[in-house]
Amino acid sequence: DAKTTQPTSMDCAEGRAANLPCNHSTISGNEYVYWYRQIHSQGPQYIIHGLKNNETNEMASLIITEDRKSSTLILPHATLRDTAVYYCIVEGGNKLVFGAGTILRVKS
Amino acid sequence: EPEVTQTPSHQVTQMGQEVILRCVPISNHLYFYWYRQILGQKVEFLVSFYNNEISEKSEIFDDQFSVERPDGSNFTLKIRSTKLEDSAMYFCASSEGLAGGPWGTQYFGPGTRLTVL
Repeated sequence: DAKTTQPTSMDCAEGRAANLPCNHSTISGNEYVYWYRQIHSQGPQYIIHGLKNNETNEMASLIITEDRKSSTLILPHATLRDTAVYYCIVEGGNKLVFGAGTILRVKS
Repeated sequence: EPEVTQTPSHQVTQMGQEVILRCVPISNHLYFYWYRQILGQKVEFLVSFYNNEISEKSEIFDDQFSVERPDGSNFTLKIRSTKLEDSAMYFCASSEGLAGGPWGTQYFGPGTRLTVL
């Protein structure tokens, strides 16, 4: 599984867009980019995933660069409830390998 | 919306005792997983399971651990002789699986907090 690199922490003002970057320069052609988040000690929550194209759902948007070596998760209007650890995971098989993730703090 | 459920939410046991953690995956899902998270540490993969067989397991998943799908709805993780270091949150996950692609998006349960005394 390809390794990912994320900033340790980020702050975002409530109501503003939160842009969380992820580097995955060793990603291979059949590996997907997944984003999960974990609030306190709850189970990881699926947010979004993509292979090559940008994706959007009701929670977030995922922007993947053309060379697929990096991606950005965008929460368009962050709320206090979006405060969590966000994990960028590259996955091509049958397991998710979690790193330390990015601690996102949304502040009022 | 369908969700993965886990019981109990908290299990306290004495060292050396056997514990069984239970999970009910999402009903149409075919792939099942266990992960664990020691307090303050990363979420770690333990095992994946498909078609009544283990597909992959990590180094953590030694002979003390076993998994079973005893019926059409439950998926269990058994720890035969618990150690202090087994204290952790244990998360079950399931995915639908997609032919020709990844095993599909994994959806996690709320976890069982295991405390070994």
